Amino acid sequence: AQKITQTQPGMFVQEKEAVTLDCTYDTSDPSYGLFWYKQPSSGEMIFLIYQGSYDQQNATEGRYSLNFQKARKSANLVISASQLGDSAMYFCAMDGGSNYKLTFGKGTLLTVNP
Amino acid sequence: IAGITQAPTSQILAAGRRMTLRCTQDMRHNAMYWYRQDLGLGLRLIHYSNTAGTTGKGEVPDGYSVSRANTDDFPLTLASAVPSQTSVYFCASSDSTGEGEKLFFGSGTQLSVL
Repeated sequence: AQKITQTQPGMFVQEKEAVTLDCTYDTSDPSYGLFWYKQPSSGEMIFLIYQGSYDQQNATEGRYSLNFQKARKSANLVISASQLGDSAMYFCAMDGGSNYKLTFGKGTLLTVNP
Repeated sequence: IAGITQAPTSQILAAGRRMTLRCTQDMRHNAMYWYRQDLGLGLRLIHYSNTAGTTGKGEVPDGYSVSRANTDDFPLTLASAVPSQTSVYFCASSDSTGEGEKLFFGSGTQLSVL
């Protein structure tokens, strides 16, 4: 069975600084994918970034990058130059296994302070 | 605008009543999913459908049923609602079911069972 752990229920960061949101995972599957989603206070789920387990390079999407450390089974999200609009709940998720259904972590609530 | 439409947006329901949450997508995606979101628990998969005519159970299927008569619609039914089914329900879809398939989410249904 797959498991995603997000150990930070809440995080605070100053505007314009970088922040790292932690995510560790557990799986016995040799091939899997890791995702990050953002959920602002309005409630919608917004896809941010994806990393495949066999990808050699860490994924980047604008100000978002995924720090993938396969041996440690971690897939931390790094947000550079935080903006007030980054305040939201962030979910780490993974797929894999026989049916590739996404399993989500419990989320981290990020607050960006001005 | 293409996407996923969920209805109703919110609902208050008496315990024991039957309720169907509607989900329609216009992206012609093969796979569809129902998740529930509870504070501190993240998103948990209720049921899924890899293609029209097929359905499968997720992590928390008890008390829920689904059908997939066509590609576009994936209703979720609570046969006899209980207070523990108070939650935010998200419908999602993906083009296929392979590794790395990004989910597209609806805007959610807030359900309160009293």
